[in-house]
Amino acid sequence: DTAVSQTPKYLVTQMGNDKSIKCEQNLGHDTMYWYKQDSKKFLKIMFSYNNKELIINETVPNRFSPKSPDKAHLNLHINSLELGDSAVYFCASSAGPGAQETQYFGPGTRLLVL
Amino acid sequence: DQQVKQNSPSLSVQEGRISILNCDYTNSMFDYFLWYKKYPAEGPTFLISISSIKDKNEDGRFTVFLNKSAKHLSLHIVPSQPGDSAVYFCAASGGSNYKLTFGKGTLLTVNP
Repeated sequence: DTAVSQTPKYLVTQMGNDKSIKCEQNLGHDTMYWYKQDSKKFLKIMFSYNNKELIINETVPNRFSPKSPDKAHLNLHINSLELGDSAVYFCASSAGPGAQETQYFGPGTRLLVL
Repeated sequence: DQQVKQNSPSLSVQEGRISILNCDYTNSMFDYFLWYKKYPAEGPTFLISISSIKDKNEDGRFTVFLNKSAKHLSLHIVPSQPGDSAVYFCAASGGSNYKLTFGKGTLLTVNP
């Protein structure tokens, strides 16, 4: 039983397209996150939601829009995809928003923009 | 601006020996540090953490040491096993900021 799942696992698309990545957690956690791991391998926080409210919003282009329909889901929509958006996107969740709460990561979505 | 640095991209050790992975940080506000382990095609998994009020935390074969004055932490794995082969990420947080700042990771290979 997967704790944090993401769909799709792989996504290949053309520049300019709009795409969404979905994330679901069955851990009963209140807080969810989106991270981006770029070609330089840095894992960087993009967004975090706690009880469906945005609590972390790093400096990302406004082409990226997270949506949390409920506590168990956090989706990431990306408009007008660019080559530089190619990366691995990880969803994560934790019991609460504190940095000392263990974060559980999904398997990642590998996005390739051509 | 790399606030968490893992200067060794890779490390190779023999099974049964000690693995030492290093991490340096620059932000003096960081007060909580974590290590995550990542296998290929999987997400990172939490391994061990340490608060700045301690200088050592141990969990089985894994020990994390923190040297606040040097802004340095290290992860010791003793004895190393082939199943420990993975990428190890150091992460830090601090102040009222909820977020974790990750290093680039170190690929550990444990040879049988």
